Amino acid sequence: QKEVEQDPGPLSVPEGAIVSLNCTYSNSAFQYFMWYRQYSRKGPELLMYTYSSGNKEDGRFTAQVDKSSKYISLFIRDSQPSDSATYLCAMRHNTNAGKSTFGDGTTLTVKP
Amino acid sequence: GAVVSQHPSRVICKSGTSVKIECRSLDFQATTMFWYRQFPKQSLMLMATSNEGSKATYEQGVEKDKFLINHASLTLSTLTVTSAHPEDSSFYICSAPDSGTGGPALTQYFGPGTRLLVL
Repeated sequence: QKEVEQDPGPLSVPEGAIVSLNCTYSNSAFQYFMWYRQYSRKGPELLMYTYSSGNKEDGRFTAQVDKSSKYISLFIRDSQPSDSATYLCAMRHNTNAGKSTFGDGTTLTVKP
Repeated sequence: GAVVSQHPSRVICKSGTSVKIECRSLDFQATTMFWYRQFPKQSLMLMATSNEGSKATYEQGVEKDKFLINHASLTLSTLTVTSAHPEDSSFYICSAPDSGTGGPALTQYFGPGTRLLVL
């Protein structure tokens, strides 16, 4: 069983929809949780990171962490075609940025 | 944010040849860089941690003699795939941690990736 599970999708929504992306994990030691966006044939770019449980909002993006359920989510409000990409969740249990465990990514398409 | 570049962006080579991939931090110094590989529709797998001035640290299952890493300066790390074979074809991505705040390196900046195709 993988440490981090992410629904690969693909997920297709109309422009303006609310998108929910989710990951579950098995390692209760994870404390840092990140969401990356990766466009086709490009490297990932960090969208948001949170420490421990709770919510964090940045513009149209909201990240939620529920450590009791080992479940994290990324919500995208008023989705735009430019949001079409693969979204990767990542997490780790220490401050070593490189030692993150990544999900397989969810491919999102926002149709105009 | 910080910028990390990679060169080349794409390379096609014959089986048995060696390929060098460069990773540069353009506007900050990175004593540590990370090398990942990513297969289609799969997650990033950490291959090794590149350390300036010392040997790289390889993840379990990664052949150090196959994937040579040299961290020549505070802004440059290179990955050389030696005697490449078709199964080495993949997307190779480097990253550098963000230590600009002086605190823990909580985030990392990824390069744009290098697509390697070995014929």
